[in-house]
Amino acid sequence: GAGVSQSPSNKVTEKGKDVELRCDPISGHTALYWYRQSLGQGLEFLIYFQGNSAPDKSGLPSDRFSAERTGGSVSTLTIQRTQQEDSAVYLCASSSLAASTDTQYFGPGTRLTVL
Amino acid sequence: AQSVTQPDIHITVSEGASLELRCNYSYGATPYLFWYVQSPGQGLQLLLKYFSGDTLVQGIKGFEAEFKRSQSSFNLRKPSVHWSDAAEYFCAVGTGTASKLTFGTGTRLQVTL
Repeated sequence: GAGVSQSPSNKVTEKGKDVELRCDPISGHTALYWYRQSLGQGLEFLIYFQGNSAPDKSGLPSDRFSAERTGGSVSTLTIQRTQQEDSAVYLCASSSLAASTDTQYFGPGTRLTVL
Repeated sequence: AQSVTQPDIHITVSEGASLELRCNYSYGATPYLFWYVQSPGQGLQLLLKYFSGDTLVQGIKGFEAEFKRSQSSFNLRKPSVHWSDAAEYFCAVGTGTASKLTFGTGTRLQVTL
């Protein structure tokens, strides 16, 4: 596609439920990033994938958060046993190279609300 | 660890007036600096970026930014603001060894007609 797409655009869930958020990067981009944007914490890095290398998970806030990237393309961010503090907009980005000089292109985000 | 400070949470300017949004960074080596804009309900769009070379960087939509190493700053400027520039602006720093971006807390720009 022309840009990074994310689904769903909005997700409302109950505390304790698991959720899956999906990201489709720009075709041919080898690097994929997840960020979280919340009122209290601003924009935070969560995890990034580059090709077949082990992902950098250093930003994941707890072991309830995990992500995978299948076939070097689509990525799924999973949050288990959701808590109210998980409410945020989850942004995905992709870039063609895993270097800071390359531009990260962002998707529109998934707004997660945990009741 | 690197950090970014955007001291102004909210700025209001009149349409046609000039604009400067401040950004200060903290990083031990040469930083890679970015400005992104986020309109309501939209993702982040890159305005401009600095890696090396000329310290005055031109971006899209008439924006420019100047890297000042001595002041650890990368301020965003526009000579004449349009009502459509109302949005939230984020400064970010990247490093040479990791691709994750560290963002500032953002500056919300309001434009009055």
